[in-house]
Amino acid sequence: SQTIHQWPATLVQPVGSPLSLECTVEGTSNPNLYWYRQAAGRGLQLLFYSVGIGQISSEVPQNLSASRPQDRQFILSSKKLLLSDSGFYLCAWSVLGRSTGNTIYFGEGSWLTVV
Amino acid sequence: AQSVAQPEDQVNVAEGNPLTVKCTYSVSGNPYLFWYVQYPNRGLQFLLKYITGDNLVKGSYGFEAEFNKSQTSFHLKKPSALVSDSALYFCAVLNSGNTPLVFGKGTRLSVIA
Repeated sequence: SQTIHQWPATLVQPVGSPLSLECTVEGTSNPNLYWYRQAAGRGLQLLFYSVGIGQISSEVPQNLSASRPQDRQFILSSKKLLLSDSGFYLCAWSVLGRSTGNTIYFGEGSWLTVV
Repeated sequence: AQSVAQPEDQVNVAEGNPLTVKCTYSVSGNPYLFWYVQYPNRGLQFLLKYITGDNLVKGSYGFEAEFNKSQTSFHLKKPSALVSDSALYFCAVLNSGNTPLVFGKGTRLSVIA
């Protein structure tokens, strides 16, 4: 069965410091990978998605970036964090298929607090 | 463009009563529709989906949803609510192809004992 791992679970970082959140998926190949951000326990904002190694689509311009160095690894980064980057970050994966319809499965999330 | 609307920010229901969480969608073709649940400080969990076929879809934890093409709706239902059903619920839609799901803003369900 497929599993998704996301870490760290909690992170407190000072303004201006770098960020690296990592996500890996097991039990599937060539998945679509996603980074979402959720503020204040409500709506989801799609930040990046990737349909293959080195292929990254950015949905929202900001000081975050994403990379996919391996098929099942997705990394969210920042060179200098802002206070507004605080939030709950969710990694997710999907595989497009006739029966799955691109169903997305989420990791457990990473809480980022920028101080 | 595809979109999904969850008209209620909050739904309150007494334990044991039926519950409904509303969702309407807008797509140009045949939709794929999804419901997810999120418990506090957790990732979203997949509940159910409609791809094609029977308009009534049954999912996890006793939830079901009915696809209504004429009303462009996909409301989530459960015959008898539990306190443990209290959570944030998201509806999502996909038009076609290898594109990300579009999520609604979420509805917070509170089941009162």
